[in-house]
Amino acid sequence: DAGVIQSPRHEVTEMGQEVTLRCKPISGHNSLFWYRQTMMRGLELLIYFNNNVPIDDSGMPEDRFSAKMPNASFSTLKIQPSEPRDSAVYFCASSSQVNQPQHFGDGTRLSIL
Amino acid sequence: EDKVVQSPLSLVVHEGDTVTLNCSYEVTNFRSLLWYKQEKKAPTFLFMLTSSGIEKKSGRLSSILDKKELSSILNITATQTGDSAIYLCAGCWNTGNQFYFGTGTSLTVIP
Repeated sequence: DAGVIQSPRHEVTEMGQEVTLRCKPISGHNSLFWYRQTMMRGLELLIYFNNNVPIDDSGMPEDRFSAKMPNASFSTLKIQPSEPRDSAVYFCASSSQVNQPQHFGDGTRLSIL
Repeated sequence: EDKVVQSPLSLVVHEGDTVTLNCSYEVTNFRSLLWYKQEKKAPTFLFMLTSSGIEKKSGRLSSILDKKELSSILNITATQTGDSAIYLCAGCWNTGNQFYFGTGTSLTVIP
């Protein structure tokens, strides 16, 4: 049974460039979460969707960040323009319902130079 | 502000030792508390606790919730090098229906 699939695994780009991270949740899961993890701040929730609808985006750091979920099997997190302080590991997770245990993807390690 | 605090921040033990990791939370409308283990990549789910005083157990790992003390502990007995990881605690509140993670406890088990 496939887990949460994220791509790319690693991304290195120069500041100012647009970055798009992708996520395919576990089939049948209704909730999808985007997290950012850094040494300083740990794991932070950026945004979550329930049934493809964004419910809470209060964790999105600023307008440079946007997320979409056009259908139940795909979501994107976009950063435009990117800055060095955006460097982190970005995780996508899904769960059968919002308050149930989340299954995490392997993450995208993003480095902005 | 709702938050989750874990202690200790890091821990180094020898194989065979027993360890206890702590998680405390300050929250309104508490719903559940979860423990995850993170090795090199993604956090993997260990336990979900909703009721006070009921121990959840999986092999050498166990966890219990104390709603009166607003805390939870994760015990690992007879530790092995494969237990080396960051252990994350997350709380879920009714108001947000989302999970807030602590910064984790880094456990290193030395052979």
